[in-house]
Amino acid sequence: DAKTTQPPSMDCAEGRAANLPCNHSTISGNEYVYWYRQIHSQGPQYIIHGLKNNETNEMASLIITEDRKSSTLILPHATLRDTAVYYCIVRAEAAGNKLTFGGGTRVLVKP
Amino acid sequence: AAGVIQSPRHLIKEKRETATLKCYPIPRHDTVYWYQQGPGQDPQFLISFYEKMQSDKGSIPDRFSAQQFSDYHSELNMSSLELGDSALYFCASSLAPMEAYEQYFGPGTRLTVT
Repeated sequence: DAKTTQPPSMDCAEGRAANLPCNHSTISGNEYVYWYRQIHSQGPQYIIHGLKNNETNEMASLIITEDRKSSTLILPHATLRDTAVYYCIVRAEAAGNKLTFGGGTRVLVKP
Repeated sequence: AAGVIQSPRHLIKEKRETATLKCYPIPRHDTVYWYQQGPGQDPQFLISFYEKMQSDKGSIPDRFSAQQFSDYHSELNMSSLELGDSALYFCASSLAPMEAYEQYFGPGTRLTVT
């Protein structure tokens, strides 16, 4: 699976949009970009995933660059409950669908 | 909506004892995954099963074994427990391993080895 690079931490103001970047310059054509988050000691929570098109659901939006070497997760209106570690994961189908967690961005939403 | 169920939620064992963790996937999900998360670490993949067959294996110690049963629930058996096995153990489930179906995680079992 391709390696991802995320900033270790970022702060965000409550009510504002949070933009979380992720670099995955070695991504292969059949690899998806997944985003999960983990609120302190809870099970990781699926947020969104995409292959090459931008995606949006009730939680967030995922913007993938045209060359697919980077992506941005957007939380449109951050709340205090969005404080968590956010993981960007690139997953190859041939890998048996396991998720490889690494680093992540610790997001602190401040009032 | 139904979620992944894990039991027990907390478990305290002594060194060299055995432990069994159980996972009940979301209804209709046929694939289960086990992850281990040590203190201050990221979750690490241990093993996965699809249709009762092992589908992938990560850094799972030889002292650990797992299986998936006919009703799709899974059990992680851990023997000769060591202090370093103290961790959160998460189970996740999904609909199939070969498609880009998201994995849904349970609340975890906190294992403490003393």
